Amino acid sequence: EIVLTQSPGTLSLSPGERATLSCRASQSVSSSSLAWYQEKPGQAPRLLIYGASFRATGIPDRFSGSGSGTDFTLTISRLEPEDFAVYYCQQYGSSPLTFGGGTKVEIK
Amino acid sequence: QVQLVQSGSEVKKPGASVKVSCKTSGYSFTDSFIHWVRQAPGQRHEWMGWINPNNGRTNYPRKFQGRVTMTRDTSTSTAYMELSSLRSDDTAVYYCVRDIRDYFDSWGQGALVTVSS
Repeated sequence: EIVLTQSPGTLSLSPGERATLSCRASQSVSSSSLAWYQEKPGQAPRLLIYGASFRATGIPDRFSGSGSGTDFTLTISRLEPEDFAVYYCQQYGSSPLTFGGGTKVEIK
Repeated sequence: QVQLVQSGSEVKKPGASVKVSCKTSGYSFTDSFIHWVRQAPGQRHEWMGWINPNNGRTNYPRKFQGRVTMTRDTSTSTAYMELSSLRSDDTAVYYCVRDIRDYFDSWGQGALVTVSS
C-alpha cells in the first residue's frame, strides 16, 4: 500500500500570499496518478487537480500541481479568502487507492 | 449537472448492518464507476471499493472483503453500499464518488453512520 505523507500539517498564511503544499509517497506513483482535493467544513471534497498537474473543470488558474514519482506539490499562487480549507492528495495508480492526511490552510 | 445524493444519517448497534444509498443524476449512470470512501473522526479518508454500474462487477480492498457489499439499481441510477458486522470503529462519514478516468470528480454529500450500543 502506498502511504501518502502531507506536509506541513497546518499552514498559516494571509490572503494574497503563496501556499506550497507537499505530498510525498512511500513508493513511486504510477503514471503521475495523483489528485488533489479541497474540503471545507460540512462540504464534500472538491477535485482540484488530477494527473498531478491538470486542473479540473472550473478550477481557477491560481491552483497548480506539479511533481512525479514520489514527490508532488500543490501551489496556490495568491490565496483568496475562499481558499482557506483542508487539502488532500490521493493516489489512484495502484490498489488500494490511498489518501494523504491533509494540510489545513488557515488564516494567519 | 452531475449530482450524487446520499441517504441520511444512521445510528446502528454493534454487530448490525447498514445500507447507504447514492442516487445519481446528470449523467449516464452506467458510464462511470462508483466508489465508496469513508472518513472516521480524526482519520484520513479510506477507500472501500468500487462497483461498475454497467455490469455490477465489484472490487473491494482486502480490509473490507467479506464485510462490504456494493450493488446498484440501473432503473433508478442508484448505487448502494452495505457494511455488515458493524463495530465502533466503523463510525464515519461515508461518501459515494464518481470515477472519471480513475480519479474522483463528483462526491455525494456524505452520510454519517454512528455505531454505538
